[in-house]
Amino acid sequence: EAGVTQSPTHLIKTRGQQVTLRCSPISGHTSVYWYQQALGLGLQFLLWYDEGEERNRGNFPPRFSGRQFPNYSSELNVNALELEDSALYLCASSAYRQGNQETQYFGPGTRLLVL
Amino acid sequence: AQTVTQSQPEMSVQEAETVTLSCTYDTSESNYYLFWYKQPPSRQMILVIRQEAYKQQNATENRFSVNFQKAAKSFSLKISDSQLGDTAMYFCASSIIQGAQKLVFGQGTRLTINP
Repeated sequence: EAGVTQSPTHLIKTRGQQVTLRCSPISGHTSVYWYQQALGLGLQFLLWYDEGEERNRGNFPPRFSGRQFPNYSSELNVNALELEDSALYLCASSAYRQGNQETQYFGPGTRLLVL
Repeated sequence: AQTVTQSQPEMSVQEAETVTLSCTYDTSESNYYLFWYKQPPSRQMILVIRQEAYKQQNATENRFSVNFQKAAKSFSLKISDSQLGDTAMYFCASSIIQGAQKLVFGQGTRLTINP
């Protein structure tokens, strides 16, 4: 069974630019989560999507946004990039049954460097 | 709000030894999961073990076992017969089963297994 996939693996952008990261969940999983792993700040929850809807959002500015498609894949968009957005962005997926979350499984991440 | 604390930033043991990683957490919820994830240098976040808070029996997965002390809000990971491939960052995490659906992570423990 294929795991969570993410693209691209690495990305270099300059301050002020926009970036789109992509994630495909494990087959049968309807929930997708995005986390930011910045140096010195640990893993921070960004966004949770389920069945095409944004269900929860972490403490990040509105320039972090995303969406989930009918096939449950997801995009994370970051506008007006700042130097501190440099981080590893991790996507995870899980099943979500009868209001209960199942275990989240992670993709390999996208390393974003903002210059 | 949930919080997770790992008080050991780094640990180092010899191959084949047993090592225990500590984790404490705080939550007002009665129904939650606790996890240990490992992140090797390849940076892929891999699930090691999961514990449901309503289960008194400690979870085990081969060489990995937990000591779950619910009253003390403690959740330690024991790795027996440690192997070089166990070298990684280990993150303790919690999530409530219903509601916010996000993982809250500790700061991580960098574990090095020496030959």
